[in-house]
Amino acid sequence: DSGVTQTPKHLITATGQRVTLRCSPRSGDLSVYWYQQSLDQGLQFLIQYYNGEERAKGNILERFSAQQFPDLHSELNLSSLELGDSALYFCASSAAFGSGELFFGEGSRLTVL
Amino acid sequence: AQSVTQLGSHVSVSEGALVLLRCNYSSSVPPYLFWYVQYPNQGLQLLLKYTTGATLVKGINGFEAEFKKSETSFHLTKPSAHMSDAAEYFCAVSANTGGFKTIFGAGTRLFVKA
Repeated sequence: DSGVTQTPKHLITATGQRVTLRCSPRSGDLSVYWYQQSLDQGLQFLIQYYNGEERAKGNILERFSAQQFPDLHSELNLSSLELGDSALYFCASSAAFGSGELFFGEGSRLTVL
Repeated sequence: AQSVTQLGSHVSVSEGALVLLRCNYSSSVPPYLFWYVQYPNQGLQLLLKYTTGATLVKGINGFEAEFKKSETSFHLTKPSAHMSDAAEYFCAVSANTGGFKTIFGAGTRLFVKA
């Protein structure tokens, strides 16, 4: 158990819909990262937050947004969903601002029909 | 910008044989390098990491990796494969470019034959 909790574990929805994925980092970790894992794209970095502030951005679509709340949990919002958004979405946290070990949750599997 | 290339999407070895998973990286600033392992239906777990100092890094489960700056490589090895090593392995690079994006390679799936 990494200490990172992601909900929901599985989610099935239709094209055009909006979903929210939630992540609770390990106790005391200030950094939260979101990744998308799919068969064709591999593990893609989406975004990093540190203590509530966005610090690094990757290949995150404009239809996607994220935030980190004062209690340090984070949410990834995916809107206007397309079939190609079906993937496993991982949250990871780390104690350090950077260069440190990432602790991954078990992921949220999103299926868009 | 950083990037990672893992050579070989699939590697198959016999139990007891040497495991060698190849990783080359690119980074415009001094990198931090990592190997992670992913078992089915689980998140990634850290095997080992290189930040600074000794270039030969030892990790969990008997794995080790050597940072070779001149070759921009960070290959993962284990002297003797075990059936339980069958998993997907990811090489990753991170660097301070204002934020820390940890960029992962495409992954190498390791098969271990009895």
